[in-house]
Amino acid sequence: EPEVTQTPSHQVTQMGQEVILRCVPISNHLYFYWYRQILGQKVEFLVSFYNNEISEKSEIFDDQFSVERPDGSNFTLKIRSTKLEDSAMYFCASSDRLAGGRSSYNEQFFGPGTRLTVL
Amino acid sequence: KQEVTQIPAALSVPEGENLVLNCSFTDSAIYNLQWFRQDPGKGLTSLLLIQSSQREQTSGRLNASLDKSSGRSTLYIAASQPGDSATYLCAARRSEKLVFGKGTKLTVNP
Repeated sequence: EPEVTQTPSHQVTQMGQEVILRCVPISNHLYFYWYRQILGQKVEFLVSFYNNEISEKSEIFDDQFSVERPDGSNFTLKIRSTKLEDSAMYFCASSDRLAGGRSSYNEQFFGPGTRLTVL
Repeated sequence: KQEVTQIPAALSVPEGENLVLNCSFTDSAIYNLQWFRQDPGKGLTSLLLIQSSQREQTSGRLNASLDKSSGRSTLYIAASQPGDSATYLCAARRSEKLVFGKGTKLTVNP
């Protein structure tokens, strides 16, 4: 069964360093998302991406964050200068579009996550 | 701003029991509601998706209902098994994003 994959599973970095989290969405999906979950807290939306541009972003997704689809299969989240409070589990998700429908009606499928630890 | 609440925060039941998990949301103008399962330190597994026009969805021993007007959804698990032990999350969708509750941690005791 197709699934979303993410690498690495765990990333440790020093405060102020740049990190890139990678995701391979399900192959025929068109809509891509990043969420994060700080330990013990709710899963929070960061950004959605369609047709090579951001379609929606949260207030968390400031200038330190960026997303890119560098090729036909990968979807990346970059954090330019990590802070201690960026430590969290980061989830990538993807969804398809129902024929004739809107993306907002579709099921989102999540990857296993990347645990980011900022020291 | 959409707020999603799940009650109870934790639930412990003996194996074989039927149980109901509750989810409430403040903005009833949603497109759909999705239920997930999360195992410790793992990703989110989608269980059921209910569109705003639907009242129920079933998958195996799971049945989810949606009452938009009252801002509520329930997840019914029949004949619970120890393998059902996990955290169950509900998420409401009004735009591109899912808004999550904090989850109900379910423990099924053999």
